[in-house]
Amino acid sequence: GQNIDQPTEMTATEGAIVQINCTYQTSGFNGLFWYQQHAGEAPTFLSYNVLDGLEEKGRFSSFLSRSKGYSYLLLKELQMKDSASYLCAVRDLWNQGGKLIFGQGTELSVKP
Amino acid sequence: DGGITQSPKYLFRKEGQNVTLSCEQNLNHDAMYWYRQDPGQGLRLIYYSQIVNDFQKGDIAEGYSVSREKKESFPLTVTSAQKNPTAFYLCASTNRGNQPQHFGDGTRLSIL
Repeated sequence: GQNIDQPTEMTATEGAIVQINCTYQTSGFNGLFWYQQHAGEAPTFLSYNVLDGLEEKGRFSSFLSRSKGYSYLLLKELQMKDSASYLCAVRDLWNQGGKLIFGQGTELSVKP
Repeated sequence: DGGITQSPKYLFRKEGQNVTLSCEQNLNHDAMYWYRQDPGQGLRLIYYSQIVNDFQKGDIAEGYSVSREKKESFPLTVTSAQKNPTAFYLCASTNRGNQPQHFGDGTRLSIL
């Protein structure tokens, strides 16, 4: 079966660093995406990994290990506006529709 | 500006009524997707289309129907057979390759 796991909730302090983990078991793999979703809004794209290693983009970094079926999103210098749900999604092979399989999301609360 | 437009933002359905959610994109994307999101849950795929005049069922297609007569448009009909339609509906599109899916702002459907 296909399964993506991430923690339901996390809490962190403003200015700190937080790591959100994601493990996956999928039949196909054509990249892993992280999205940010504020309450009542559409998801917005944060990062993409298709090869093993770390991708850095400003305060956000994402890591992928395909052999372990594991990824994490690292948020540095946390700000109050980073309070949101973070969605991990794996893309299936294009000949299977290239569809995204989403985890349930991790609700991050940033405290002062 | 290029983007994905969903309408209406809010929609109310009466018992036994079919309703249609609109999704239009001017990004020249080949593939389009419909997702459903329930409170505290991840996105679940309803239908997807990789090319005009072709579409495939996703994980929860029962009670829904779609059409793809034009590249730019992928409307979703929630039929009376869908007994629990209250949810946040998101439309997305993408091209092949490493591009992420881009999302519209969503339609929130409720029962009257």
